[in-house]
Amino acid sequence: AQSVTQLGSHVSVSEGALVLLRCNYSSSVPPYLFWYVQYPNQGLQLLLKYTTGATLVKGINGFEAEFKKSETSFHLTKPSAHMSDAAEYFCAVTQDAGNMLTFGGGTRLMVKP
Amino acid sequence: DTGVSQDPRHKITKRGQNVTFRCDPISEHNRLYWYRQTLGQGPEFLTYFQNEAQLEKSRLLSDRFSAERPKGSFSTLEIQRTEQGDSAMYLCASSFPPNYLDQETQYFGPGTRLLVL
Repeated sequence: AQSVTQLGSHVSVSEGALVLLRCNYSSSVPPYLFWYVQYPNQGLQLLLKYTTGATLVKGINGFEAEFKKSETSFHLTKPSAHMSDAAEYFCAVTQDAGNMLTFGGGTRLMVKP
Repeated sequence: DTGVSQDPRHKITKRGQNVTFRCDPISEHNRLYWYRQTLGQGPEFLTYFQNEAQLEKSRLLSDRFSAERPKGSFSTLEIQRTEQGDSAMYLCASSFPPNYLDQETQYFGPGTRLLVL
């Protein structure tokens, strides 16, 4: 069975500050890992993903995440927050391409001016 | 290049009524997924199709729920005898066939928000 834990259901940062959203997963096999963003009343948009290879992956809008197998983590970071980054962020895992995604509970990012 | 589309975007119904939602995947995608998202939670998997075959169903998919993908293109999700607990956002996603580049990525539609009164 696979599961995802996102620490902190709400994170607040100032504009220009570092964004760090935490994700830990459990999986019995090497996982595929994803970060999605959801704006109010919209579907999910892929930010970035890890499949194989380089453990530091870069995504859209300046976000990046690092896969750390020893820590079973896939934390999302952005050096400098922008007001437009305010949204809900979801970490997800699957054990096999094409299989169901298991999502974390989400983290709402608030950006203060 | 159109994305995943869902119809309707919003549905308000009375308890006990039947509702049906439609999902049109990206044209090159042969895999289609349904998820349910309740307020303040992450999406939960409901069911999955590869072409017209329904390959997996979650235990969340009670007998009142049925999904079809008759021609391997669009899909419908029907909820019979709706209950207030069915109020949620219903999300559809699609992905490329096996062995395609980017096969592991699921692309999501805008969702259908259901409110059962």
